This record gives sequence, C-alpha cells and structure tokens, in this order.
Amino acid sequence: GESVGLHLPTLSVQEGDNSIINCAYSNSASDYFIWYKQESGKGPQFIIDIRSNMDKRQGQRVTVLLNKTVKHLSLQIAATQPGDSAVYFCAAVAGGYQKVTFGIGTKLQVIP
Amino acid sequence: NAGVTQTPKFRILKIGQSMTLQCTQDMNHNYMYWYRQDPGMGLKLIYYSVGAGITDKGEVPNGYNVSRSTTEDFPLRLELAAPSQTSVYFCASRKGQMNTGELFFGEGSRLTVL
Repeated sequence: GESVGLHLPTLSVQEGDNSIINCAYSNSASDYFIWYKQESGKGPQFIIDIRSNMDKRQGQRVTVLLNKTVKHLSLQIAATQPGDSAVYFCAAVAGGYQKVTFGIGTKLQVIP
Repeated sequence: NAGVTQTPKFRILKIGQSMTLQCTQDMNHNYMYWYRQDPGMGLKLIYYSVGAGITDKGEVPNGYNVSRSTTEDFPLRLELAAPSQTSVYFCASRKGQMNTGELFFGEGSRLTVL
C-alpha cells in the first residue's frame, strides 16, 4: 500500500527565514500530491497541490517541488511568519483507487 | 455552503458501547473519506467511498463500518468500542475528478473510550 513519510518531525525557523519541509512517498503509482496545514484543534486545510507531470508549482509564498526519480517532494515557505506555525502534512493519491494517504507530519515552529 | 459537517464534536464512550459519527457534505462531492488521527501522528484512512452505494476499506478498517446511501452522508459506525479507538476522527470529501481535487475536511470528532 501507499506509504508517505516525512524526514523531520519538528522544524524550528526564525521569523522571516525560509522554511523547507520534506516528504518521501513509496508508491511510484502516486500521481497527485497535496500539502495540508493543520492548526491546533482544527481540521487540515489545503495549501497547494501538484500533479506528477509537473516538477514545480508556486503559490502565494509557497512552492512545492516534486522529484519523481527519488519519490520526494518538498514544501518551501518564503519569509516564514508566526501564523505559519502549524503541522504540515503531505498526501499522495494513487491513480485508480482514489485513496488519499498521509504522512506523519512536520511541526513547524516559528521563532519571533 | 456549510462544507463538511461532523457530529458530535466530542464524545466519551464506555468499552463495548456503540455509536455513529455523522458526516454530511453539501458540495455534491462524489468521494468521501474517514480518517483517524492519534496524538502526534498523521491521518490514517479508515474507509472511503467513491459514490453512493460504494464503500472500500482503507488502512485501518477493523472495528468500524460505513454506509453511503446518499451522496451527502457518510456515517462511521463503531461497534463494541475499545480504548484503542480513542482518537480524533476526520471526515473529508473530494469532487471526484480523476486524480485531482483537494480534500475538504470537517472540524473533527474527538472520541474517548474509557
């Protein structure tokens, strides 16, 4: 089955610095990936997504990079703000079954 | 649109009791999902549905049942509750276009089994 995992459970960054959160996936059939942000006591919220035919996608202050060769994706947050403090999850969707599986998550702590 | 609505938000059960977590969405999404999230962990897929009348097991289906009689509703049934089922449960829905479409989540239902 699909396995999605993250390299770093906790990431502390200084306010204003850039943050990079990494994610590895195991199922090479995964063809759609989503990053979510979860604040304490709330459900996950969509940040950005990327399809497997793309290497990079940019949003507002966020960029997702996908490396299919090593089955790795990352979320880059520019000029990290205190409001970015949360747990970030990557999710992978494998074609055909529509299962959406999640990694453990990375807790981002922004130091003022 | 209310989005995805879950009830109850909190519940305490005794071992062996049964209950149903309700989930409804008003976005006419085909796909619906139930996840559980244990403290400090990611989301584990329990069951999912690609449309009314169709359900499939996820990663951790044991001890749970679901039904999908309508597009809007996807209740999760716990039979004979056990302490291992203490968790936060999230329901989510997707539009259903092949391999695209974000998940929309409910606010979660916190269940404690004592």
